[in-house]
Amino acid sequence: AQSVTQPDIHITVSEGASLELRCNYSYGATPYLFWYVQSPGQGLQLLLKYFSGDTLVQGIKGFEAEFKRSQSSFNLRKPSVHWSDAAEYFCAVGAVIGNEKLTFGTGTRLTIIP
Amino acid sequence: DAGVTQSPTHLIKTRGQHVTLRCSPISGHKSVSWYQQVLGQGPQFIFQYYEKEERGRGNFPDRFSARQFPNYSSELNVNALLLGDSALYLCASSLGTGVEKLFFGSGTQLSVL
Repeated sequence: AQSVTQPDIHITVSEGASLELRCNYSYGATPYLFWYVQSPGQGLQLLLKYFSGDTLVQGIKGFEAEFKRSQSSFNLRKPSVHWSDAAEYFCAVGAVIGNEKLTFGTGTRLTIIP
Repeated sequence: DAGVTQSPTHLIKTRGQHVTLRCSPISGHKSVSWYQQVLGQGPQFIFQYYEKEERGRGNFPDRFSARQFPNYSSELNVNALLLGDSALYLCASSLGTGVEKLFFGSGTQLSVL
């Protein structure tokens, strides 16, 4: 069975500082990997995804993530955060075959301080 | 173009009641998936429908059911509501059955008292 672990429940970062959100997954083969962002009262917006190829993927809003097979990780990074980045971030895994569902982590809440 | 629309946005029910949530996918999308997001948790997969047929079911009791109509809109039904059913219910649409490109609606916030 596939699973996702986001070890950080809540992270606080100063505006302009760099950010890294951690994600570890469990899956028998190379999965599809995703990062979504959710603002309060809103649905999920896709930031970026990894299917294959280059292990460093670029997304929207200046985010990037790196797939590390040896560590079963897919950490999200941003070099300089903005106040508007405050939100809940979810890492998710999907199977390449029989892929009718996403399995999400429990999320990391990001707070930005001036 | 309109995105995924869900109705109602908020709903309050009491234990034991029944609820119907509705979802309209993006025009041209034939697949609708439902997810439950309990406060403080990530979304959990409930169902996927494609071309009016159930293609996937998560680990939810039989009180949860869904269907998809010829226009590809969908309903999620929950019977005999429990307090634990209080959650944000998200609908996602896509062209096919894969998860490569899901578009999520803003959800229906269900409160069971």
